[in-house]
Amino acid sequence: GAVVSQHPSRVICKSGTSVKIECRSLDFQATTMFWYRQFPKQSLMLMATSNEGSKATYEQGVEKDKFLINHASLTLSTLTVTSAHPEDSSFYICSASPGLAAETQYFGPGTRLLVL
Amino acid sequence: AQSVTQPDIHITVSEGASLELRCNYSYGATPYLFWYVQSPGQGLQLLLKYFSGDTLVQGIKGFEAEFKRSQSSFNLRKPSVHWSDAAEYFCAVGASGGGNKLTFGTGTQLKVEL
Repeated sequence: GAVVSQHPSRVICKSGTSVKIECRSLDFQATTMFWYRQFPKQSLMLMATSNEGSKATYEQGVEKDKFLINHASLTLSTLTVTSAHPEDSSFYICSASPGLAAETQYFGPGTRLLVL
Repeated sequence: AQSVTQPDIHITVSEGASLELRCNYSYGATPYLFWYVQSPGQGLQLLLKYFSGDTLVQGIKGFEAEFKRSQSSFNLRKPSVHWSDAAEYFCAVGASGGGNKLTFGTGTQLKVEL
């Protein structure tokens, strides 16, 4: 149980284009979903927290107009990287929690984004 | 604000040897504590967690961790390491009683020598 999927697993795009990453909780309803960014050989940095049906809460320093997050249902959240640039290349990981608090987060396998 | 320190960036052990990965946290109240493992290019898998109660927590894959409030530590242990345990290990702290944010340590890269 508690499986989270991400799609795509890796994506290459041209600079200036937008990329959408999907995060799905497959066997539970995720009241809260989280989006992280991980640089090579570094820890996870929380980008934003989203609750179903409401606007995402972004961490300080994260551009909300660049990283659009939508949590339209209890099983799906999307992260759209708008007008991507090479510096946006990274490993993006989502997680989902069945409760409002982050007592236990279940992580997706991650999406490797490369912007050329 | 909560924080997590993993003092060891890299650790190398021989297969069959015991393992201890260190984690120190900073938080004003009783924290929620987690250990996650990440294989290359993969997401994170939960090994174990501590919320309350028994301070010795058993997890998957033969791992255990002990919460020591006096030392602000939550070290991960395994009595006998297998080659498949080679991975990156992250300790994380969350706020008790809600507060939906986990803070991760910088991770410890475990290498297992055969």
